[in-house]
Amino acid sequence: EIVLTQSPGTLSLSPGERATLSCRASQSVSSSYLAWFQQKPGQAPRLLIYGASSRATGIPDRFSGGGSGTDFTLTISRLEPEDFAVYYCQQYGSSPYTFGQGTKLEIK
Amino acid sequence: EVQLLESGGGLVQPGGSLRLSCAAAGFSFSTYGMRWVRQAPGKGLEWVSAISDSGVTTYYADSVKGRFTVSRDNSKNTLHLQMNSLRAEDTAVYYCARGSKGSGWPDWGQGTLVTVSS
Repeated sequence: EIVLTQSPGTLSLSPGERATLSCRASQSVSSSYLAWFQQKPGQAPRLLIYGASSRATGIPDRFSGGGSGTDFTLTISRLEPEDFAVYYCQQYGSSPYTFGQGTKLEIK
Repeated sequence: EVQLLESGGGLVQPGGSLRLSCAAAGFSFSTYGMRWVRQAPGKGLEWVSAISDSGVTTYYADSVKGRFTVSRDNSKNTLHLQMNSLRAEDTAVYYCARGSKGSGWPDWGQGTLVTVSS
């Protein structure tokens, strides 16, 4: 099983700042089948990034993903008020599909 | 527009059973693998099960293997999750999701709450 470890657990930033979230895998993620999701309270997860760096349909270009192998990042270039939420990374290349424990992005 | 609508959640006693359903619309259901993901109250996301487009191949998390069974009816565009021998730790919101390696898992239902308690 591929274990995904996200850091930091909580990130406190202000609107307009840049956010960098990290996701480290316990073994290489095949073909970069790494995704990032955003989740707000009471809502289903929303896919932001798939294939490590491809933006999902309708996702603003301030969201970008990078990395390969075991180290991946999600960057939000300039935080908007609606970006404050919990973010999860996920590997979907091989079963068991796994999620990271989440990073809470909160307003400073 | 892709629509996924879960149903069947509710309160069940430990050791009991429940069958969840996910009605799909807006896409060619029989050509997509489907997944179940759950989220315990205040916790993170946990993948539960997956099924191939034909229904021939199924996968389970270790935490539910032998207790849960995923199935699909492509003639009715419906996904199911039969949950037996339920435990308190199965309490969660259960989501169905459409997924593929080519595009990730972009489409999710709104979730259905399962509460296992006496």
